[in-house]
Amino acid sequence: AQTVTQSQPEMSVQEAETVTLSCTYDTSENNYYLFWYKQPPSRQMILVIRQEAYKQQNATENRFSVNFQKAAKSFSLKISDSQLGDTAMYFCAFISGTYKYIFGTGTRLKVLA
Amino acid sequence: NAGVTQTPKFRILKIGQSMTLQCTQDMNHNYMYWYRQDPGMGLKLIYYSVGAGITDKGEVPNGYNVSRSTTEDFPLRLELAAPSQTSVYFCASRSGGYDEQYFGPGTRLTVT
Repeated sequence: AQTVTQSQPEMSVQEAETVTLSCTYDTSENNYYLFWYKQPPSRQMILVIRQEAYKQQNATENRFSVNFQKAAKSFSLKISDSQLGDTAMYFCAFISGTYKYIFGTGTRLKVLA
Repeated sequence: NAGVTQTPKFRILKIGQSMTLQCTQDMNHNYMYWYRQDPGMGLKLIYYSVGAGITDKGEVPNGYNVSRSTTEDFPLRLELAAPSQTSVYFCASRSGGYDEQYFGPGTRLTVT
């Protein structure tokens, strides 16, 4: 069975500092995509970043980057220069050849002023 | 673009009542999904659809029904509401392949 594990239920970081959120997954598939979604207090789910499994290069979107280790099945999210607006729940998600996304249980991030 | 819209935003039901949560997307996406999110938890898939007329169960389908008569609409029906169905319900859609999902704003449902 495919699973996604986020082992950090809660984290906090000082404004302007860097924080890394962990995600591991389990699959026997070779082709798949990984995503990080952000859910702020408004509840709206927002895509932060995506990574194609066939690409070795780590994805980057402005202050957000990932460390994708395919052999270790690890997909961590690094947030640089943290801002108060980054306070949210972050979900790691996986999709392969099925129609269904598999979501982790989430990490609640609080950015402290 | 409206994207994915859901109605209502909030609803309180009494035990045993029924209701339909509406979901509409205007992006001509084939795939649509219903999730529930319990407090402090992740998303659990209730039902999904890969196109008009085709639906299938997710992880937690009991107590729910869906239909997909058009590409745009994917309503979720709750029959005989129970307190265990108190949750936030999200509808999502995507075009296909490995595309991202686009989420609606959610419906907060309380069953008392």
